[in-house]
Amino acid sequence: SQQGEEDPQALSIQEGENATMNCSYKTSINNLQWYRQNSGRGLVHLILIRSNEREKHSGRLRVTLDTSKKSSSLLITASRAADTASYFCATEGSNYKLTFGKGTLLTVNP
Amino acid sequence: DAEITQSPRHKITETGRQVTLACHQTWNHNNMFWYRQDLGHGLRLIHYSYGVQDTNKGEVSDGYSVSRSNTEDLPLTLESAASSQTSVYFCASSGGSSGSSDEQYFGPGTRLTVT
Repeated sequence: SQQGEEDPQALSIQEGENATMNCSYKTSINNLQWYRQNSGRGLVHLILIRSNEREKHSGRLRVTLDTSKKSSSLLITASRAADTASYFCATEGSNYKLTFGKGTLLTVNP
Repeated sequence: DAEITQSPRHKITETGRQVTLACHQTWNHNNMFWYRQDLGHGLRLIHYSYGVQDTNKGEVSDGYSVSRSNTEDLPLTLESAASSQTSVYFCASSGGSSGSSDEQYFGPGTRLTVT
């Protein structure tokens, strides 16, 4: 069963705009990770946020985590055409395995 | 540079045949994972290993097996391929002890078609 669920399933924006994707999960976690997948490629790790952290930044990425609501958001600022990809959240629970959501397909139009 | 590779990248096989997908990593990571990715399901964990001689079943392990005889390799075997196993398969690895919190590095994937 899927632990994380991303929302929306698909998002289309113009270059320069910000993109926000959300992830909800059901059980307690050790950390939550975001990955990117370009079409036909493997997943690439973007950022990890631990359960005792509330916000984390990496370049144009900002991740928030609200453990009381069991939700996370990924914000990509000043998006570029190269950001077009699928984005997945993955939760790591007490068993140390990652459980992935179904992903958000982000399209950034030039 | 360290990397994780998968072979073959594409495979077509017939129902009932045994198929082995290779995964090789040069990160010297303890932890290795196999996932399958299908439309509408995202990534699902098939098997994983926290070290040599250690293997564990994931969410969708029926019909699959793995063995870990060294640090670098975790081959995935489909004992008797079925059409339901048509999918894209990803191998991943991560460092740390016994699957501790760490990012996973993914291979490029193997697209398997079972006819």
